Amino acid sequence: DTAVSQTPKYLVTQMGNDKSIKCEQNLGHDTMYWYKQDSKKFLKIMFSYNNKELIINETVPNRFSPKSPDKAHLNLHINSLELGDSAVYFCASSQAGQKEFFGPGTRLTVL
Amino acid sequence: GNSVTQMEGPVTLSEEAFLTINCTYTATGYPSLFWYVQYPGEGLQLLLKATKADDKGSNKGFEATYRKETTSFHLEKGSVQVSDSAVYFCALSDSDYKLSFGAGTTVTVRA
Repeated sequence: DTAVSQTPKYLVTQMGNDKSIKCEQNLGHDTMYWYKQDSKKFLKIMFSYNNKELIINETVPNRFSPKSPDKAHLNLHINSLELGDSAVYFCASSQAGQKEFFGPGTRLTVL
Repeated sequence: GNSVTQMEGPVTLSEEAFLTINCTYTATGYPSLFWYVQYPGEGLQLLLKATKADDKGSNKGFEATYRKETTSFHLEKGSVQVSDSAVYFCALSDSDYKLSFGAGTTVTVRA
């Protein structure tokens, strides 16, 4: 059974479109995260939710909006996609103070 | 704020060579330290961790020791294999539900 899953795995879209990436974890963790990995492999946190509440919101354009319908899900919606949004987006989850489990990543390509 | 600095890559080695990837950190308090590995086309996996000074994390022949006096957590392996080719990330976590990552070091092992 997959611990942290993301869909889709690949997403190719045109500039200006709106798209969503979904993340689900079946580990019963309280905290979920979104990370962005750019073309240079540098990984940076975007958001963190604890028990459905936003606790970390790094400097991210407000075109990015996370939504947590319940503790097991943290979706990422992106409006008006730009070329610079092309990256791999990783979802992760953890129980407070414990290691994070990462999803397989979603490769977003904006044309 | 917290930050992690790791050696620039890429690193290319022959099989059975000794690998060291340097990692130093800046943090308030006493963070936990991690090494994550990303194999080609896959998501991040936790390789090893250390939660307090002088702890040694080890896994798959890799080792790293938490050195508070030098604020370092260098990754070492005595004899690398082709299958160790991957991107390695040093990271730290304090109490605020967040991981801070280094830039990642790409390691290529040649047969």
